[in-house]
Amino acid sequence: GAVVSQHPSWVICKSGTSVKIECRSLDFQATTMFWYRQFPKQSLMLMATSNEGSKATYEQGVEKDKFLINHASLTLSTLTVTSAHPEDSSFYICSAADSRYGYTFGSGTRLTVV
Amino acid sequence: AQTVTQSQPEMSVQEAETVTLSCTYDTSESNYYLFWYKQPPSRQMILVIRQEAYKQQNATENRFSVNFQKAAKSFSLKISDSQLGDTAMYFCAFTPYSGGGADGLTFGKGTHLIIQP
Repeated sequence: GAVVSQHPSWVICKSGTSVKIECRSLDFQATTMFWYRQFPKQSLMLMATSNEGSKATYEQGVEKDKFLINHASLTLSTLTVTSAHPEDSSFYICSAADSRYGYTFGSGTRLTVV
Repeated sequence: AQTVTQSQPEMSVQEAETVTLSCTYDTSESNYYLFWYKQPPSRQMILVIRQEAYKQQNATENRFSVNFQKAAKSFSLKISDSQLGDTAMYFCAFTPYSGGGADGLTFGKGTHLIIQP
């Protein structure tokens, strides 16, 4: 079956620094990748949609300058949280889509900003 | 915009019992997909079952089945012979069918299902 690898699984960073999260589809090419955010005991909220080689589409209310998304290849998308602050602490999950497997999720990244 | 509503924040049943989780949605789309995902404590999202709106037949996957009522915009999940490993958060999700591309998923708030031994 399809596997999506997401790294790191957890990260602690200092306020004001940037953090990069990687999302890779290991055995298939993902036409589209998605980034979600999940607060404790809450649902997943779609942040942005990215297609290989084009600019990401951000959901309303998501700061595109704070959450930089790069989709350089059909198997790799990255989310960079710039100038992170404590309110950015959350669980971030990526998902890759393709016509065969549908939506496959990464295992998530727990970000803590101190 | 579409919305997904799960009205049961938490449910608890005994092992081996049958449990039904409810989900309603609102959309103006005529063709779309509906999903149930399981999120155990590991927080890995696991697909339980998927339903395509144009298919009238309800989807089934082993102990899991859905009751899809398109006119009522209802999509409930039935778990038969529940097992301890079924304990998890369950999310109902929606995406419109967009032809060649893919749209993100809209999730409900989730139902925390607890299977008691």
